[in-house]
Amino acid sequence: EAGVAQSPRYKIIEKRQSVAFWCNPISGHATLYWYQQILGQGPKLLIQFQNNGVVDDSQLPKDRFSAERLKGVDSTLKIQPAKLEDSAVYLCASRPAAGTNTEAFFGQGTRLTVV
Amino acid sequence: KQEVTQIPAALSVPEGENLVLNCSFTDSAIYNLQWFRQDPGKGLTSLLLIQSSQREQTSGRLNASLDKSSGRSTLYIAASQPGDSATYLCAVRDGANNLFFGTGTRLTVIP
Repeated sequence: EAGVAQSPRYKIIEKRQSVAFWCNPISGHATLYWYQQILGQGPKLLIQFQNNGVVDDSQLPKDRFSAERLKGVDSTLKIQPAKLEDSAVYLCASRPAAGTNTEAFFGQGTRLTVV
Repeated sequence: KQEVTQIPAALSVPEGENLVLNCSFTDSAIYNLQWFRQDPGKGLTSLLLIQSSQREQTSGRLNASLDKSSGRSTLYIAASQPGDSATYLCAVRDGANNLFFGTGTRLTVIP
């Protein structure tokens, strides 16, 4: 079974530039998460999707961050404009439909450096 | 809001030792608890999942326990090996399907 795929693996941008990350969850997984992991900290939830609908985006800085999952499969996370403090690893995870007591599976992450 | 704490933040042990990593959470109304391993520059690998109704789970040299009422979980690693060196994260899942992570324990197993 293929895992959660993320791209790119690394990205370096200047502050105030825009950047987008892509995630392809495990086939058939209805729930998709984006997490931000700052160096030395645990992952922090940014947004949770159930199919193509947003379940929780309370921690998403909506003035600069946006995410979509239009067809309920792939998802993109965008930052516009980026700030220095956005430097982090952005992790995508998926699990089968909500209500199932199952594991979450994570991708390798995208390491963003804002200079 | 759920808060997850992991102690210690870092741990170094000689190869062959048994060790225990600790995780505590403030809200006992969890759906399940999951232990992950994270290698430098990599994503998270799931190690064990404990349902809220369970007390422990075992996989090879790993044993995870859960005391939901006291808000605690432990990950026991038997006969540690240098390949076990990594950061270990625990995460609790709430009824809204969200995962709340601790800050992790960075384990170094010295050959």
